[in-house]
Amino acid sequence: AQSVSQHNHHVILSEAASLELGCNYSYGGTVNLFWYVQYPGQHLQLLLKYFSGDPLVKGIKGFEAEFIKSKFSFNLRKPSVQWSDTAEYFCAVNPLSGGYNKLIFGAGTRLAVHP
Amino acid sequence: DAGVTQSPTHLIKTRGQQVTLRCSPKSGHDTVSWYQQALGQGPQFIFQYYEEEERQRGNFPDRFSGHQFPNYSSELNVNALLLGDSALYLCASSSTRNTEAFFGQGTRLTVV
Repeated sequence: AQSVSQHNHHVILSEAASLELGCNYSYGGTVNLFWYVQYPGQHLQLLLKYFSGDPLVKGIKGFEAEFIKSKFSFNLRKPSVQWSDTAEYFCAVNPLSGGYNKLIFGAGTRLAVHP
Repeated sequence: DAGVTQSPTHLIKTRGQQVTLRCSPKSGHDTVSWYQQALGQGPQFIFQYYEEEERQRGNFPDRFSGHQFPNYSSELNVNALLLGDSALYLCASSSTRNTEAFFGQGTRLTVV
């Protein structure tokens, strides 16, 4: 079965620390990859996406992610986090079977950044 | 430009009852997907509607059904509610030209 694994459920960092959130998926075919963020009390928002091309993608607010096909991974990174990055982060995969838009989400990583 | 809007925002129902949740997609979007997000978990795909038909379905029982209207808005219906149906129900819209999905704020359903 297709699945997405996020390695850390809770991460606590101090401001200016570097962030890396792991994401692995199980699907052998072509995929589109996404990271969504959910700030407290707000709806899910797209942080960044990978469809094809350069495996290092840059998103909003200084986030970036690297797609490593051989490892089925799409890890999220940010060199220096801010208090405002406190949120829940979801990795999602769209397995492009049938050409439809269906997202398979990981369980999420709750990030708390302390000033 | 309104994003994805869902109603109601909160709902409390009793076991065995039926519920209908509503979603209006983002302007220009023709595809609506529904997700269930239980506490502490990521969203789980329920089904997707396009051109007023169910195009894909996740691993949910037939108690979960839906509908899409000619104006692309959609409803999610759940019959014979169970305590385990308590969750945040998310609607996402997209277009056939762009696979990026935009999410609404969700409907928090509590079954007691």
